[in-house]
Amino acid sequence: DIVMTQTPLSLSVTPGQPASISCKSSQSLLHSDGKTYLYWYLQKPGQPPQLLIYEVSNRFSGVPDRFSGSGSGTDFTLKISRVEAEDVGVYYCMQSIQLPPFTFGPGTKVDIK
Amino acid sequence: QLQLQESGPGLVKPSETLSLTCTVSGGSISSSSYYWGWIRQPPGKGLEWIGSIYYSGSTYYNPSLKSRVTISVDTSKNQFSLKLSSVTAADTAVYYCARQEGGSGWPGAFDIWGQGTMVTVSS
Repeated sequence: DIVMTQTPLSLSVTPGQPASISCKSSQSLLHSDGKTYLYWYLQKPGQPPQLLIYEVSNRFSGVPDRFSGSGSGTDFTLKISRVEAEDVGVYYCMQSIQLPPFTFGPGTKVDIK
Repeated sequence: QLQLQESGPGLVKPSETLSLTCTVSGGSISSSSYYWGWIRQPPGKGLEWIGSIYYSGSTYYNPSLKSRVTISVDTSKNQFSLKLSSVTAADTAVYYCARQEGGSGWPGAFDIWGQGTMVTVSS
């Protein structure tokens, strides 16, 4: 199985300040079709996960532009340019290049200082 | 807009079979553009993919659960279902159904999720 690791596992951020989460995969997520199958989700308290970013850097519909994704191969980053109170929750990365199984990272808990 | 809703018993006895259904509304489960998946989350823990199905009935299962999992689809009811046999306390979790992008291509993101249903395994 492809193992997804995330750092840090928790993050406390002052509103208006930036935040960054790293995700590393144990194998390259670059497919022969040219796409990289890496996603970012946010699970707000008491809610299901919601898709933020697909294929490394594409914001899903309705996702604010303060969220951005970057990276390639096995190293990926989610950045929040200016954290807002509504951004608290647990952030997960996920890969779907290996089928099966699809695997998620352990999650990064973000809260507000 | 598309919505997914999980339903099924909230309490299952050890060694029995957990059965859940996901009802899709606001769109067709027979769309060639999507798979339909199940993901679970034990209390206070992370996310685990269980399996996915295409409307034609093609399935992918997590190898760690494959011997106990069956996912099926009923296009006439716009539903897909999960059965997990021989459950133990370790199967206690919130179970989510979700739409997965990809369809005729490579499976991609889970872009729309149900609210989830808590299933407890206990006698």
